[in-house]
Amino acid sequence: DVKVTQSSRYLVKRTGEKVFLECVQDMDHENMFWYRQDPGLGLRLIYFSYDVKMKEKGDIPEGYSVSREKKERFSLILESASTNQTSMYLCASSLRGGYSNQPQHFGDGTRLSIL
Amino acid sequence: SQQGEEDPQALSIQEGENATMNCSYKTSINNLQWYRQNSGRGLVHLILIRSNEREKHSGRLRVTLDTSKKSSSLLITASRAADTASYFCATALNTNAGKSTFGDGTTLTVKP
Repeated sequence: DVKVTQSSRYLVKRTGEKVFLECVQDMDHENMFWYRQDPGLGLRLIYFSYDVKMKEKGDIPEGYSVSREKKERFSLILESASTNQTSMYLCASSLRGGYSNQPQHFGDGTRLSIL
Repeated sequence: SQQGEEDPQALSIQEGENATMNCSYKTSINNLQWYRQNSGRGLVHLILIRSNEREKHSGRLRVTLDTSKKSSSLLITASRAADTASYFCATALNTNAGKSTFGDGTTLTVKP
């Protein structure tokens, strides 16, 4: 079974801090994703990576950056945390699959609170 | 706005009844997937239906796709309390290789 592990289930940080959310997958998947999930807004894609060191902006990249130095690890960085970034953050991975999108496998999420 | 939108937003049924959720989308898709999310957990993939398929089954799940109406439905038969969760559809656009767009979800409550 694919396992996607997010480093923290709950995290509390202060406004202005630089925050790192880590995600590791163990199935050699090419694609990795970061989403945020907010009530009434569903899942929104922040960033997408289709290979090591490759990244693509999603729908809401402002205020975030990502790093993918190794295939199994995809990090989301909040450069200067703000209260409107309080949310549930979900990491996912999938095989590449070209235009035939493959199922995504999700971690259990990190509930981040910015005070 | 969201590519995929689920309907209804919330559904409450008794154990043993069938549950039907619908998903509508706006533009041509490559495939459509359904996911389930238990409270406080990540999403779990349930089923994928390609644009050239009309119906697919997996255990108690039945998914239909009508590309002319740009809609899909997820039917859960003989529901159980353990089916209580949020259900999301995700659409993969022809032009967005690798990425899917998720709807807001339907929250299903199955009462024992």
